[in-house]
Amino acid sequence: AIRMTQSPSSFSASTGDRVTITCRASQGISSYLAWYQQKPGKAPKLLIFAASTLQSGVPSRFSGSESGTDFTLTISCLQSEDFATYYCQQYYSYPQTFGGGTKVEIK
Amino acid sequence: QLVESGGGLVQPGRSLRLSCAASGFTFNDYAMHWVRQAPGKGLEWVSGISWNSGSIGYADSVKGRFTISRDNAKNSLFLQMNILRVEDTALYYCAKGYSGSCSAAFNIWGQGTMVTVSS
Repeated sequence: AIRMTQSPSSFSASTGDRVTITCRASQGISSYLAWYQQKPGKAPKLLIFAASTLQSGVPSRFSGSESGTDFTLTISCLQSEDFATYYCQQYYSYPQTFGGGTKVEIK
Repeated sequence: QLVESGGGLVQPGRSLRLSCAASGFTFNDYAMHWVRQAPGKGLEWVSGISWNSGSIGYADSVKGRFTISRDNAKNSLFLQMNILRVEDTALYYCAKGYSGSCSAAFNIWGQGTMVTVSS
């Protein structure tokens, strides 16, 4: 199975900060990479698919990029509603796999 | 919209069948998936099925014990879970793929149904 290594597992940030979360695939997955946001007690929400395509309705402060097997989610200006846990997912091949998650907390 | 049902408390070694009722989109055009989340843990993809059931996949942790299926006439997705283990305890989400192929992100999620495996 393709392993998705997400880092960091958690960190603290302030409103207005620019934050970056990284996900590394154990092998090539082309651009078959999605990012999700999950808040406590809620289902995950799709933010980005195809590594860099913003899902409809998602604020433009969210962006995704890729470099080989490394993928990055960037939030350009952190808002209060962005404090949540973020997951990457590869859907290149079965079994599909998620990263371990990154919890973004308020500093 | 996706609404899961069928969860509950079950003893180890027993079976349970989850259902997911879909509405608001053309169900038979899209792949569907099950994703689970153990209490306080991350997301784990469980199984996926293409629009026509021609492509099916399972996580290694459930292969041989779980079976995914769909009834396009009834806009429904199912997960038959056999030989349940304590480690199968989780909130089970139904999720819709972005396309009919299983190689697509999940753009709609249900609220989940809780499965607790305990003696």
